[in-house]
Amino acid sequence: EIVLTQSPGTLSLSPGERATLSCRASQSVSLNYLAWYQQKPGQAPRLLIYGASSRATGIPVRFSGSGSGTDFTLTISRLEPEDFAMYYCQRYDSSPLYAFGQGTKVEIK
Amino acid sequence: VQLQQSGPGLVKPSQTLSLTCAISGDSVSSNSASWNWLRQSPSRGLEWLGRTYYRSKWNNDYRESVKSRISIKPDTTKNHFSLQLDSVTPEDTAVYYCAGGECDNVACSLNHWGQGTLVTVSS
Repeated sequence: EIVLTQSPGTLSLSPGERATLSCRASQSVSLNYLAWYQQKPGQAPRLLIYGASSRATGIPVRFSGSGSGTDFTLTISRLEPEDFAMYYCQRYDSSPLYAFGQGTKVEIK
Repeated sequence: VQLQQSGPGLVKPSQTLSLTCAISGDSVSSNSASWNWLRQSPSRGLEWLGRTYYRSKWNNDYRESVKSRISIKPDTTKNHFSLQLDSVTPEDTAVYYCAGGECDNVACSLNHWGQGTLVTVSS
């Protein structure tokens, strides 16, 4: 079974601080087909990053993605109030199983 | 691209769950897109269920655990796609999302999402 493990489960930070979220895959992700999504309560997920490091349309530059193989990172350089939310990583190289991580909650400290 | 979901929020056990996702701003027949259904529940998290996409012919991929009872179909005349999930049980209770993917061949991120539909399976 292909598994994505995100850490930490919860990140407590203040506005203006830097957030670093981790996603580790149980098997190497082909061609860096790894995406990050943001989800706020009552809303659908929103694509932030695709191809491990490319920002989706309209995503602020404070969001950046990096990594390859089995280890990936989402960094929010300076947290804005609207950034406090759940974040999920997803691999999309392995249809018919597009696995998601269990999520990291970024909460206000 | 905007996706608008429709369908009932309550389904009885053993019956069929049916949802539709209307596409605006793109075509269900696009050679560079995929059209997906996912669901989310506290017990299962975010779970991709399947997709349909056109690459010279229509193709489908389904999650193994629902493969025997799921069908995702495009409708080119209405520019929408649909989900049917047969023989539902209370474990199928979840928020269901449709999502459109932009693709590198058939590897597709999920760029556009519907608003979500809470489907409860209960008698």
